[in-house]
Amino acid sequence: QAQLEQSGPEVKKPGSSVKVSCKTVGDTFGSYSIHWVRQAAGQRPQWMGGIVPILGSTKFAQRFQGRLSLNVDESTTTVYMNLSSLTPEDTAIYFCVRVRLGVALLWGRGTLVTVSS
Amino acid sequence: EIVLTQSPDAMSLSPGERATLSCRASQNLGGKFVAWYQHKRGQPPRLLIYGASTRPTGITDRFTNSGSETDFTLTISRLEPEDSAVYYCQQNVSSPWTFGQGTRVDI
Repeated sequence: QAQLEQSGPEVKKPGSSVKVSCKTVGDTFGSYSIHWVRQAAGQRPQWMGGIVPILGSTKFAQRFQGRLSLNVDESTTTVYMNLSSLTPEDTAIYFCVRVRLGVALLWGRGTLVTVSS
Repeated sequence: EIVLTQSPDAMSLSPGERATLSCRASQNLGGKFVAWYQHKRGQPPRLLIYGASTRPTGITDRFTNSGSETDFTLTISRLEPEDSAVYYCQQNVSSPWTFGQGTRVDI
C-alpha cells in the first residue's frame, strides 16, 4: 500500500527558503498528482499547489505564485516543494497529498516548518 | 475563491448517536460534491468520502455524504469513540481548492 514519506522539521529565518521532500513509497507515481496543503495552528488547511510527476505539469494557488516551486525526481519517486521569501506567517505544518480528480486520497504525516528570527 | 463554512464548530455526542455536520459553500458547486476528511491529533488527515458516496477502501459506511449546490452534509451514524476528530470539507470545483474551518466531534 502506498505511503508518502516526508522530510523532517525545519527552522528558517525570515527571507530564506525551505525545501521539503515527499517520497512515494510502495508504489509508482502512476497517474496521480502530488499536491501540497499547509495548516497553520488553529487555521483551516490551505491548498498550495501540485504537480503531475509523469508530465511535470504544475498548478499553483495564486497566492503562492512566484515563490512556490515543485520538482520531481522520478528515479526516487520524490517530489520536492520549495517555498521562498519566508515570513513568520509561513509557519505551518506542510502536508504532501496524493491527488486524483481533485481529491486528496492519501496524506503524508506532515512537516513542521517554523519561520522565526 | 469559494469559501466553505462548516457548522457547528464543535459538538459533543454519545456513542450510538448520529452526528450531522454541515458545510455551506459561498458559490454553487454545480452538481459536484464536497469531499470530507477526518483529522485526529498526531495523525495525517484521512479521506472519508467524496462524490455522492465514494469511500476509500476501509472506510465504514457509517459515513454518508449528501447535499447539492451550496449545502452539504456529512452524517456519521452509530457513533463510536474512535470517531472523535476534526472533520473538514473540501471543494475542488474551482481553483484555489478550499477547505472548511472544521467541526470538532467529541464522543
